[in-house]
Amino acid sequence: GAGVSQSPSNKVTEKGKDVELRCDPISGHTALYWYRQSLGQGLEFLIYFQGNSAPDKSGLPSDRFSAERTGGSVSTLTIQRTQQEDSAVYLCASSLVAGYSNQPQHFGDGTRLSIL
Amino acid sequence: DAKTTQPNSMESNEEEPVHLPCNHSTISGTDYIHWYRQLPSQGPEYVIHGLTSNVNNRMASLAIAEDRKSSTLILHRATLRDAAVYYCILRAEYNNNDMRFGAGTRLTVKP
Repeated sequence: GAGVSQSPSNKVTEKGKDVELRCDPISGHTALYWYRQSLGQGLEFLIYFQGNSAPDKSGLPSDRFSAERTGGSVSTLTIQRTQQEDSAVYLCASSLVAGYSNQPQHFGDGTRLSIL
Repeated sequence: DAKTTQPNSMESNEEEPVHLPCNHSTISGTDYIHWYRQLPSQGPEYVIHGLTSNVNNRMASLAIAEDRKSSTLILHRATLRDAAVYYCILRAEYNNNDMRFGAGTRLTVKP
């Protein structure tokens, strides 16, 4: 498809387990962003990647969270030793380039993560 | 960061115009005004953005006050599919790699 693709769409796991969330950005988009959205809340920025530059990790809430982007395309967000407060919808977005206000971000439909 | 203020909710009738307001009294001269919307169980969707002049696209129009301290998103003929949460966001011209979404306005469209 032409849009941002995220998988899985839903993930239920037990507290303490590790999870990996995947994002396939729009082809040709060099910037990729991860956000999370708790129930009824706005979006919380987590991390962004721009090309081969070092990612901006300033939004990651703890060292249990990490992300990588392979080959400048697909990205995975990993949460280690999950906690119940990690339950949220994790959203990925991409844009042609980062850093310019005239570049809209295109979002996937997210992964709904539930920690039991 | 400059902050935006929006009503929590609004209602509209189908096929009528909708005017969604946003106040941003602390906007700086290089901040762009962006609007996104989020339908149930979907990620946010870009709607429109502008700097100083009014803007039109296939989805909506954006009217920006002369002093830029407020703006209005205009849906010319609301449809049931337009029911969503609408977010007004300010983005600095550069170094704006994250977007800070507030609570937005929940638009209900009645048939």
